[in-house]
Order: sequence, then C-alpha cells, then structure tokens
Amino acid sequence: AQSVSQHNHHVILSEAASLELGCNYSYGGTVNLFWYVQYPGQHLQLLLKYFSGDPLVKGIKGFEAEFIKSKFSFNLRKPSVQWSDTAEYFCAVNAEGGGNKLTFGTGTQLKVEL
Amino acid sequence: NAGVMQNPRHLVRRRGQEARLRCSPMKGHSHVYWYRQLPEEGLKFMVYLQKENIIDESGMPKERFSAEFPKEGPSILRIQQVVRGDSAAYFCASSPPGREHQPQHFGDGTRLSIL
Repeated sequence: AQSVSQHNHHVILSEAASLELGCNYSYGGTVNLFWYVQYPGQHLQLLLKYFSGDPLVKGIKGFEAEFIKSKFSFNLRKPSVQWSDTAEYFCAVNAEGGGNKLTFGTGTQLKVEL
Repeated sequence: NAGVMQNPRHLVRRRGQEARLRCSPMKGHSHVYWYRQLPEEGLKFMVYLQKENIIDESGMPKERFSAEFPKEGPSILRIQQVVRGDSAAYFCASSPPGREHQPQHFGDGTRLSIL
C-alpha cells in the first residue's frame, strides 16, 4: 500500500520568502500526484497535479511542483509567498491500477507573516 | 456555485445515536468518495462509490459504518451507535465519469462531534 510523508508540519515564513514543502511517497509502481490547499474555513482545493509528461508542473497562484521519480518526491515550491498563502497544504497520491482513492500526507500548516 | 455540497456542516450526537452525513456531488459527477480526518492527521480514504454501486470500501470500519449512493439523491454516510472516537471531520469528494484518476473536488466537510 502506498503512503505519503510530509515532514514539515508547521512552517512560518515572512512575505516574499521562498517556499518549499517536502512530499515523499512510498510505492513501487506508477503514481499520480497532487497538491491540495485548504484555506481557513474552506474546502480542499486542487493546486496542481502530475499524471505524466514534464515532471515540472505549474499550478494555480504561482505554485509549482517537481516530480523526481528517483527520490519518490513531489515537492511544492513558490518563489515568493504572500500573506494570503496562509493555509494547510496536503500532498496526495493515487496508484495506477489501485482504483481512484487518494492517500494523503498529514499536511503542512503554512503561516505567512507580514 | 455547483460545487460538492455536504450537509450538515456541523453535527452533534450523543454516544449510541446514529449520524447521517449527506453529500451531493458536483453536477455531471458520478463518482463519490468519503474521507475522514481525525485531529492532527491527514485525510484517510473510507469508501468510493458510483451510482448504486460500492466500488472500494477498503477504508471503511467493519462495523457501524455504511455508505450508499442511490440512483436518485445524495450519497449518505451512515454511522450507527456512534462512539467518542467517531468525532472527526468527514469530507466528500466527487469526480466525473470517464478515465480513471480524474482529480477529485472536495466539499466543505461535516464536523461530527460526539458528546
């Protein structure tokens, strides 16, 4: 069974700082990868996804993620964060041939200070 | 806004009562998923349904929990004889028919509290 690890549980940054949130998964086969964001009081929203092709994926709101197959990683990045990026970020995986269920990491709570 | 609709947003039950959580998928979506989020944990898959069929219930507790997605109406997650450990946020997601691995769209969740 697949699993997902997000090592940073809480991250505090100042506005304009660069962001990188780690995500590692364990699964030997082909996977599809996702980052979701949950703003305070709101539902999870899809930031970006990787199914195949270019391993550098661009998402909404200036976010991007890079799939590095050899490292089983899918880290989320943003060059310059804004106060409005304060939210909880979840990495998720589903395995090809494993149905459509998502396996989530435990989430990273990001706080951006002015 | 025709997003995934869940109700109620908050539900309080006493131990031993039944809890019913409802989910209406996005328009045009025929696949529904239920996830549970316990405090300080990520979302855990519970069940995947299509209209009138349970496709994958590998994440459902063996007792007291059931789910359905009838031909007409919302999907229902039912928890019988609730216990304190059932307190959690329950999220529903939906995806369109077609090829596997379509991105899932989530509802706002139902926060279940057991007294």
